[in-house]
Amino acid sequence: EDQVTQSPEALRLQEGESSSLNCSYTVSGLRGLFWYRQDPGKGPEFLFTLYSAGEEKEKERLKATLTKKESFLHITAPKPEDSATYLCAVLSGSARQLTFGSGTQLTVLP
Amino acid sequence: ETGVTQTPRHLVMGMTNKKSLKCEQHLGHNAMYWYKQSAKKPLELMFVYNFKEQTENNSVPSRFSPECPNSSHLFLHLHTLQPEDSALYLCASSQEREYGELFFGEGSRLTVL
Repeated sequence: EDQVTQSPEALRLQEGESSSLNCSYTVSGLRGLFWYRQDPGKGPEFLFTLYSAGEEKEKERLKATLTKKESFLHITAPKPEDSATYLCAVLSGSARQLTFGSGTQLTVLP
Repeated sequence: ETGVTQTPRHLVMGMTNKKSLKCEQHLGHNAMYWYKQSAKKPLELMFVYNFKEQTENNSVPSRFSPECPNSSHLFLHLHTLQPEDSALYLCASSQEREYGELFFGEGSRLTVL
């Protein structure tokens, strides 16, 4: 059974204070790892797909990286508008559906 | 309209009521999904439709009944719900089944009294 664990559950940062969110996974044959952003009261919004260890993707202040056991979402010099819940999900060779983690709630204080 | 649209955004119902949630996608996608999101829990997949055919039913109680009349519309019919069914119900679509890049609607917040 695929498993996804995200840490920390919640993170508070000062504006400009860089940090990383972690997504650890256990799957049988990774087909892809996906990051989503969810604002309060809204549905998740797709951010990145990573397919193999060593791959990196960037978008503005966000950079996602992937190893064989975990993925990191690095946030460089965050701004208050980066505050959201960040969700990680995996698609494996055995499961026909995404397995989501519980998310990390990020708050960036001005 | 673009993207995935869900109505209503908020719904309050009694345990004996019957109501429906509606989802429409304007992206030309072939797969549509219903997810349940409860506080502090991972997204739970409920149903999957691919080319209008139901391909997944993750042991969802029969008080939830999906309907997919065409590849652009998806409904979730609700009847005799329980208070623990209160949650955010999210509709999503993807180009094909087994894609990880899903496009979500804004959700329908359901409260069961």
